[in-house]
Amino acid sequence: GAVVSQHPSWVICKSGTSVKIECRSLDFQATTMFWYRQFPKQSLMLMATSNEGSKATYEQGVEKDKFLINHASLTLSTLTVTSAHPEDSSFYICSARATTEVVWTDTQYFGPGTRLTVL
Amino acid sequence: GENVEQHPSTLSVQEGDSAVIKCTYSDSASNYFPWYKQELGKRPQLIIDIRSNVGEKKDQRIAVTLNKTAKHFSLHITETQPEDSAVYFCAAPTGNQFYFGTGTSLTVIP
Repeated sequence: GAVVSQHPSWVICKSGTSVKIECRSLDFQATTMFWYRQFPKQSLMLMATSNEGSKATYEQGVEKDKFLINHASLTLSTLTVTSAHPEDSSFYICSARATTEVVWTDTQYFGPGTRLTVL
Repeated sequence: GENVEQHPSTLSVQEGDSAVIKCTYSDSASNYFPWYKQELGKRPQLIIDIRSNVGEKKDQRIAVTLNKTAKHFSLHITETQPEDSAVYFCAAPTGNQFYFGTGTSLTVIP
């Protein structure tokens, strides 16, 4: 089946630094990728929808200058947390939707997640 | 965007009993309703889904029912087992957005 990878799986950084998280679809092309944030024991909160070759669509309340999303190719989207602070510590998960799907089916293929800890 | 509500937030059942989780949604244009299971620290896994042209779908011990008029759909797990313990999320995609319910933490007591 479709595989989505994320890198890194776990990162610890100092406050004020920037962290880049990569999301790759390994065996299919993804026109749309989604970025979620998940706090412990809570649901996945949609942060933004990323379409290949265009600007990401951010959800209300998500700072686009804080969370930079780039979807440069059909297999790669990146999320950069700029000037990270402890409150940005969270579990970030991406998902990808295959290009061949024209209607919603089971096309949400999730990455394994990245645990970010900001000291 | 879509407003997806999920109940209950926590659910404990005895092994062998049934568990039911319900979700309501707001956008009448939604026509696809998946359910995901997420174990601690892992990615969500699709367990079952249903389209709006059917009212029920079953896969072994798992079933999903849909009431489009009332805008709600439910996950039914029968003969629960300890390995069913996890967090379950419903979702109601609309347009190009994909919103999850708030999640239900299911604990199956041996």
